[in-house]
Amino acid sequence: ETGVTQSPTHLIKTRGQQVTLRCSSQSGHNTVSWYQQALGQGPQFIFQYYREEENGRGNFPPRFSGLQFPNYSSELNVNALELDDSALYLCASRDSLIGTGELFFGEGSRLTVL
Amino acid sequence: RKEVEQDPGPFNVPEGATVAFNCTYSNSASQSFFWYRQDCRKEPKLLMSVYSSGNEDGRFTAQLNRASQYISLLIRDSKLSDSATYLCVVSPNNAGNMLTFGGGTRLMVKP
Repeated sequence: ETGVTQSPTHLIKTRGQQVTLRCSSQSGHNTVSWYQQALGQGPQFIFQYYREEENGRGNFPPRFSGLQFPNYSSELNVNALELDDSALYLCASRDSLIGTGELFFGEGSRLTVL
Repeated sequence: RKEVEQDPGPFNVPEGATVAFNCTYSNSASQSFFWYRQDCRKEPKLLMSVYSSGNEDGRFTAQLNRASQYISLLIRDSKLSDSATYLCVVSPNNAGNMLTFGGGTRLMVKP
């Protein structure tokens, strides 16, 4: 087990709805990032948070937003859901004080948009 | 064109075989390189980092050719437990975050 926990594990939404996914990072890890993995594809980087600030973003529209809390846990929010948002959403954490510290992934939240 | 390209496979090999995976990446400014392993419906896990000088971890050997923007993974003496999807991954920085993943190569090792 990596120590990164995500909730919920599965959920179903309809187009136009909003969703919030949650991540508890591994103890001591101050950097959290989110990835989207569509079926049959590799994960795609959404954004990264460090000390409660977004400090990196992939090619995702503004309706994908996030938060990091003082305890380093994080949320991913997606507004105005589209069918193509159906995917596995992975949270990953690392300790930024370790130069090339390993990125640890949670088991993901599987979102289905109908 | 995808930033990291891999042959999706599947590669079907018998136990004990040697198998090689390759990938190419388009961003010449990439700084760090990895192979991740992902089992079916599970999260990706780091298999090994890839260094310019090449590196080995047991039955696994990884190589990087920066000039050709090419990364390889060699698995010797394949085991049934090696069956998984292997993801080629690059990062724009030395911290190894903000990863760009390839689509993965699926390996199936048969008895």
